[in-house]
Amino acid sequence: GAGVSQTPSNKVTEKGKYVELRCDPISGHTALYWYRQSLGQGPEFLIYFQGTGAADDSGLPNDRFFAVRPEGSVSTLKIQRTERGDSAVYLCASSLDPGTSTDTQYFGPGTRLTVL
Amino acid sequence: KQEVTQIPAALSVPEGENLVLNCSFTDSAIYNLQWFRQDPGKGLTSLLLIQSSQREQTSGRLNASLDKSSGRSTLYIAASQPGDSATYLCAALTGANSKLTFGKGITLSVRP
Repeated sequence: GAGVSQTPSNKVTEKGKYVELRCDPISGHTALYWYRQSLGQGPEFLIYFQGTGAADDSGLPNDRFFAVRPEGSVSTLKIQRTERGDSAVYLCASSLDPGTSTDTQYFGPGTRLTVL
Repeated sequence: KQEVTQIPAALSVPEGENLVLNCSFTDSAIYNLQWFRQDPGKGLTSLLLIQSSQREQTSGRLNASLDKSSGRSTLYIAASQPGDSATYLCAALTGANSKLTFGKGITLSVRP
């Protein structure tokens, strides 16, 4: 594809509900990242996939957050029992050369999640 | 743990002014340093990437420098235009997992 795409662009849910956020990376990019950006803050790392496996999930805030990438392409970020504090923009990025000095991460437009 | 700081949080300048945006980081063991632009309600657009072995990169009116030893990077914008108004974020890439650590960004307003 032309770039990283994310769906939905906006998601409004009620406290306690379950949500899924989808990311389609750039074709051929083996590395995929999820970040979370709260209002007035820079993005914060959540999880990194290399292929199908989560190579680093140290940024996931708690066990309500889970992400998968079953075929090494599309990824889904899943949030259970949502809380108002989960409200943020969730950004996805992909790259071709992780762990190198030339590694450039390309970001999608993000999903704005609002928990009422 | 890498920490990235950008000060000030906001900047307002008249059109045509040359300006410098500052970024500092605490861990010099970086792979690269990247500058991004973010427009309101939008994702991130990569502006410049400086590899750890490089000192600067240029693209059009933008020039970014890197001083690893002092933990600093600057983004220089020449002849600023109202269309440059946006939030500018710097991010340091560290670790084999290529984790990006971002600053909070500098919101730039260029007045016509």
